[in-house]
Amino acid sequence: DGGITQSPKYLFRKEGQNVTLSCEQNLNHDAMYWYRQDPGQGLRLIYYSQIVNDFQKGDIAEGYSVSREKKESFPLTVTSAQKNPTAFYLCASSPFAGAGMDVSNQPQHFGDGTRLSIL
Amino acid sequence: SQQGEEDPQALSIQEGENATMNCSYKTSINNLQWYRQNSGRGLVHLILIRSNEREKHSGRLRVTLDTSKKSSSLLITASRAADTASYFCATANEAAGNKLTFGGGTRVLVKP
Repeated sequence: DGGITQSPKYLFRKEGQNVTLSCEQNLNHDAMYWYRQDPGQGLRLIYYSQIVNDFQKGDIAEGYSVSREKKESFPLTVTSAQKNPTAFYLCASSPFAGAGMDVSNQPQHFGDGTRLSIL
Repeated sequence: SQQGEEDPQALSIQEGENATMNCSYKTSINNLQWYRQNSGRGLVHLILIRSNEREKHSGRLRVTLDTSKKSSSLLITASRAADTASYFCATANEAAGNKLTFGGGTRVLVKP
């Protein structure tokens, strides 16, 4: 079955600690995204990547970092600079039609999230 | 800032009734998408409606789009307890590329 796998499901962070959230997809999608969801709220974009070895900041990138060394993987690191990291983190992917195509008409496929809490 | 705003924030209905929720947005869009999220899970894509479309159906779901009013509605007909979830609209516009901007969602409770 193709899909997106996020791990771990629950994660705890101590003060001053960096933690990395995993996101793997086997859908052969080019684009991947990280969102943050706070209780009772919608999703806010942290980072996104449309192609391997390239990524862009979203609306709330401060305190986070990403890498995209492989098409299948887009890990998110929550650094100690992120002062309020407690949230539900969602990873998504979508096909990317490439330059000159209408790339916005692509539904996104989501993983089941990682819930991060502060100890 | 959030592009889409859903209304109502919460909705409680009996099984078999219809559920309607609305989404308003501020800037011009390429398309508008609706997603469902069950508690503690990821989002599932429901319907995508393009800016040149006015209505779209998928099973018990009906989506309308009025670009002159910058609004969309999602209708779930003959609701079931399994429809209990949060529903989000998300907009995509040319300036934002393939980035989606999500609203705050409507929480729907379908009572058996």
